[in-house]
Amino acid sequence: QSVLTQPPSVSGAPGQRVTIACTGSSSNIGADHDVHWYQQLPGTAPKLIIYANNNRPSGVPDRFSGSKSGTSASLAVTGLQAEDEAEYYCQSYDNSLSGNVVFGGGTKLTVL
Amino acid sequence: EVQLVESGGGLVKPGGSLRLSCAASGFSLTTYSMNWVRQAPGKGLEWVSSVSSGDGFSYHADSVKGRFTISRDNAKNSLSLQMNSLRVDDTALYFCARDIGYDSRANYHLYFDFWGQGTLVTVSS
Repeated sequence: QSVLTQPPSVSGAPGQRVTIACTGSSSNIGADHDVHWYQQLPGTAPKLIIYANNNRPSGVPDRFSGSKSGTSASLAVTGLQAEDEAEYYCQSYDNSLSGNVVFGGGTKLTVL
Repeated sequence: EVQLVESGGGLVKPGGSLRLSCAASGFSLTTYSMNWVRQAPGKGLEWVSSVSSGDGFSYHADSVKGRFTISRDNAKNSLSLQMNSLRVDDTALYFCARDIGYDSRANYHLYFDFWGQGTLVTVSS
């Protein structure tokens, strides 16, 4: 059971927009800790695509964007492309847990 | 170019030990905190251990505390994870990851900006 909750799967057709929610609590996202997002293509390591809620590292397409409000955050992908099919994870920091780093359970994005 | 290359994974019996290594290049381990993050087969990501830059203080998840020890060799610019008393549920792909920690809005935040490709640890009789 992950500390941050994500839907197991989302899907969309090429060109469409999809969002992935990440729900936390008052000890992590609700405590105003930033949320970060990773993309994991099959058989590869996770790759940072959004940091500090809504910032994209160099090289990440602007089709990816993030937002945060209250105890939740979301990742939006616009103009879906086949190459976006992957697992996506949110991550934050928690005040009450040993080690403090928490992840969501992951969401599989399928491009139809 | 930043690179992280893990090694040392393999098949080990329950109760056994294994030592993982992560060779870093393109930056100095002394200037960044480093971590091990694992992923059990078909499962999500789980933070395991970290060692801070500078003083080298280490932290471990409750699930591995007392069994795993993270360390770094500044001369070799490498990170290690000594895993003892291994259990079946330690079976996972273990990633080495660099983190960026920062203070903002009176809070501490952290994310992982570079990851290695991982090394597979299988604990089975």
